[in-house]
Amino acid sequence: AAGVIQSPRHLIKEKRETATLKCYPIPRHDTVYWYQQGPGQDPQFLISFYEKMQSDKGSIPDRFSAQQFSDYHSELNMSSLELGDSALYFCASSLEYRRLNTGELFFGEGSRLTVL
Amino acid sequence: AQTVTQSQPEMSVQEAETVTLSCTYDTSESDYYLFWYKQPPSRQMILVIRQEAYKQQNATENRFSVNFQKAAKSFSLKISDSQLGDAAMYFCAYRSAGLSGNTGKLIFGQGTTLQVKP
Repeated sequence: AAGVIQSPRHLIKEKRETATLKCYPIPRHDTVYWYQQGPGQDPQFLISFYEKMQSDKGSIPDRFSAQQFSDYHSELNMSSLELGDSALYFCASSLEYRRLNTGELFFGEGSRLTVL
Repeated sequence: AQTVTQSQPEMSVQEAETVTLSCTYDTSESDYYLFWYKQPPSRQMILVIRQEAYKQQNATENRFSVNFQKAAKSFSLKISDSQLGDAAMYFCAYRSAGLSGNTGKLIFGQGTTLQVKP
């Protein structure tokens, strides 16, 4: 079965550079969630999209932006990178929550960003 | 706002023994989902078990079972016959069922690192 695809899996950037992470949800899933997980920490919710519109916003820095495209894939853009942005970034997808039957979010394998 | 608390940063268990990981949560909602996720060193987020709040019966998946106490807002995970491959970080997570306008994001606890001793 198709899973959530994230790219790139690993990314190394310098401070003040820009990075873009991509997420391809499971086919027919219309909702995408982005999470940031620092070393030894729990995943922190950044932002979510439903039907290409932002549906919720968490602790996402102003330097970050995201969008969901017509094919439902999503991109997380991070500018003016800081050392503290080094983390694992997860994307998860699901059917819109009001149509859930299991409540499960399906996670990608994550994109590991290292800022030097 | 909903919160999830895991008060055990680290736990250890002898191989083949049983261990219980604790989780409490706070919510004013009546309909929601609870999950336990496993995160091994590869850092892949793997669903272990889920519980629907409207179900009184505790969920079970092979060696994994939960003790869901809705009134006490407690959701513990029991791992029986522990195996070396169970060693990982375990996260308890809450998700609204969407009836109160929430957008369905997962809210995670702080995590519990489980060590399995041979």
